[in-house]
Amino acid sequence: DGGITQSPKYLFRKEGQNVTLSCEQNLNHDAMYWYRQDPGQGLRLIYYSQIVNDFQKGDIAEGYSVSREKKESFPLTVTSAQKNPTAFYLCASSMAGHEKLFFGSGTQLSVL
Amino acid sequence: DQQVKQNSPSLSVQEGRISILNCDYTNSMFDYFLWYKKYPAEGPTFLISISSIKDKNEDGRFTVFLNKSAKHLSLHIVPSQPGDSAVYFCAASDGSNYQLIWGAGTKLIIKP
Repeated sequence: DGGITQSPKYLFRKEGQNVTLSCEQNLNHDAMYWYRQDPGQGLRLIYYSQIVNDFQKGDIAEGYSVSREKKESFPLTVTSAQKNPTAFYLCASSMAGHEKLFFGSGTQLSVL
Repeated sequence: DQQVKQNSPSLSVQEGRISILNCDYTNSMFDYFLWYKKYPAEGPTFLISISSIKDKNEDGRFTVFLNKSAKHLSLHIVPSQPGDSAVYFCAASDGSNYQLIWGAGTKLIIKP
């Protein structure tokens, strides 16, 4: 079955620690996205990538980094510079030039 | 400045009746609108969309209406079923970079 896989489901971060969230898709989609969801708020775009080896900052990129070395993979690193990382993180993908997104099941990140 | 607003954080509807979820937008350049459904601790799933060249789109129990002059769209679910209990997000795109702007969501509760 085609889809998007995010791992882990739950992740805990210690102060000063960088953590990486995994996102893999086998839908052959060109575009991939990372969103953050906080309680009572809509989804906010962190980073997106329209093509391999290229990515752009979204609305809230500070404290995050990404890479897009393969079409199937778009990992997100939450760095120690992100002072309020506790949130639900969602990865999505789409066909190039299409607004319809397909989402993974999310990663809940919490700070210890 | 929220460009997409869902003013009702929650909505409770009797099973079998009609559920109407509302969404307002401010950017007249938006030309494509989508509704997503989200269960707790899962990623959103696409429900239905509408282009600005239409004023109605229907898919089974789900109908989306677009009123461009009022910058308002609504999602109708008829009849409402227990499995419809979820958070519903409205999203909009202006087609320039295929990025979606999201509302904060409305939690729909279907009462038996």
